[in-house]
Amino acid sequence: AQSVAQPEDQVNVAEGNPLTVKCTYSVSGNPYLFWYVQYPNRGLQFLLKYITGDNLVKGSYGFEAEFNKSQTSFHLKKPSALVSDSALYFCAVRDGWGNTDKLIFGTGTRLQVFP
Amino acid sequence: ETGVTQTPRHLVMGMTNKKSLKCEQHLGHNAMYWYKQSAKKPLELMFVYNFKEQTENNSVPSRFSPECPNSSHLFLHLHTLQPEDSALYLCASSQDRITSQSSYNEQFFGPGTRLTVL
Repeated sequence: AQSVAQPEDQVNVAEGNPLTVKCTYSVSGNPYLFWYVQYPNRGLQFLLKYITGDNLVKGSYGFEAEFNKSQTSFHLKKPSALVSDSALYFCAVRDGWGNTDKLIFGTGTRLQVFP
Repeated sequence: ETGVTQTPRHLVMGMTNKKSLKCEQHLGHNAMYWYKQSAKKPLELMFVYNFKEQTENNSVPSRFSPECPNSSHLFLHLHTLQPEDSALYLCASSQDRITSQSSYNEQFFGPGTRLTVL
C-alpha cells in the first residue's frame, strides 16, 4: 500500500530563514505526491503536486518541493520563511486511480515561524 | 473562502444523540469526500461519492451514515457515537474521480466541523 511519512511533528524557524518540511514516501509504481497546508480554523489548501516532469515543483505562496527518487523523499521548501507561513502541513500520495483514486495523508508537521 | 462550506462549525453531543453534519460545495464539482482528522494521526478518508453514488466506504462504523442527495450536498448522519469519535470532520470536493493515471483533480476542502462527543 502507498504511504507517506512526516518524521517531524513540529519545525521551528526564524522569519527570513529557509525552511524545510520533510516527507518520505513508499509506493509501488510511479509516485504522485502532494503538499497541502491547513491554517487555523480552515480546511486544507492545495499547495503543489508532483506527477511527472521536473523534480523541482513550484507551488503557491513561494513554496517548492523537490522530488528525490533515490531517497524516496518529497521535501517542502521555501527560501525565506514568513510568520504567516505558520500552519499545519500535510504530505500526501495518490493511491489508485479512477473510482479507486484517493489521497493517503501523512500525520502532518506543524511549522512555527518566529519573528 | 474555498467554495466548500460546512455546518455547524462546532458540535457537542452526547452518546445517545442523533445529529447531522452538512457540507455544500458551490464549485460545480461531482465528487465529494468525508475525512476525519484526529490529533497526531493521518487524515482518514471515510466516504467518497462520485456523481451521487458512493464509491468508497473506508471501513467506517455504521454509527456514521453518509447521504448525498445531489452533487452539491453531502451529509454525515451521526448516532450513538463514542468519545473517541471526537475529531475534526472535513468535507472536500473535486471535479470528479480522475479518469486517467496521468491526471489529477485537486480536492477543495471545507473548514471542517469540530465534533466533541461527551
